[in-house]
Amino acid sequence: SQTIHQWPATLVQPVGSPLSLECTVEGTSNPNLYWYRQAAGRGLQLLFYSVGIGQISSEVPQNLSASRPQDRQFILSSKKLLLSDSGFYLCAWREKLETQYFGPGTRLLVL
Amino acid sequence: AQSVTQLDSHVSVSEGTPVLLRCNYSSSYSPSLFWYVQHPNKGLQLLLKYTSAATLVKGINGFEAEFKKSETSFHLTKPSAHMSDAAEYFCVVTPLTGTASKLTFGTGTRLQVTL
Repeated sequence: SQTIHQWPATLVQPVGSPLSLECTVEGTSNPNLYWYRQAAGRGLQLLFYSVGIGQISSEVPQNLSASRPQDRQFILSSKKLLLSDSGFYLCAWREKLETQYFGPGTRLLVL
Repeated sequence: AQSVTQLDSHVSVSEGTPVLLRCNYSSSYSPSLFWYVQHPNKGLQLLLKYTSAATLVKGINGFEAEFKKSETSFHLTKPSAHMSDAAEYFCVVTPLTGTASKLTFGTGTRLQVTL
């Protein structure tokens, strides 16, 4: 069966510091991968998606970037965090036309 | 283009009474529709999905939803609420086909269950 992992589970970072959040999927090949952000009291906002290695589409201009160095690995990064980057970050995967499945999330607090 | 409107940001019910969470959608394409549930500080779990088969969809934990094209609705129901149902619920729409198949989320409905 397929599983999706995210780490770290929680992170507290100072403003201006770099960020790297990792997402890996097991048990599937060539999935579509997605990064979402959920701000407190709000719905989910799609940040990036990827249909293959090295293929990244950005949905909103922002302080973040994404990379997909391997088929089942999706990384969310920032060179300098802003206060507004705080939130709950969710990774998701989808195989062809099937349902999207979500990871457990990473809670990021920027101070 | 597609959008989702969850008509209630908060719903409070007593344990053992019915649950109704309302969702209306708009889509330029034949849609797939989903309900996800999120417990505090957790990821999203799929409750049920509609993908152009039967219009009445049964999901996990006793939830079901009915796709009504004429009303562009996909309301979530459960006959009898349980304390463990307290969570945030998201209605989601996506085109039935498409390579990236990006999801469009509603803003969520927080369900409170009281004794």
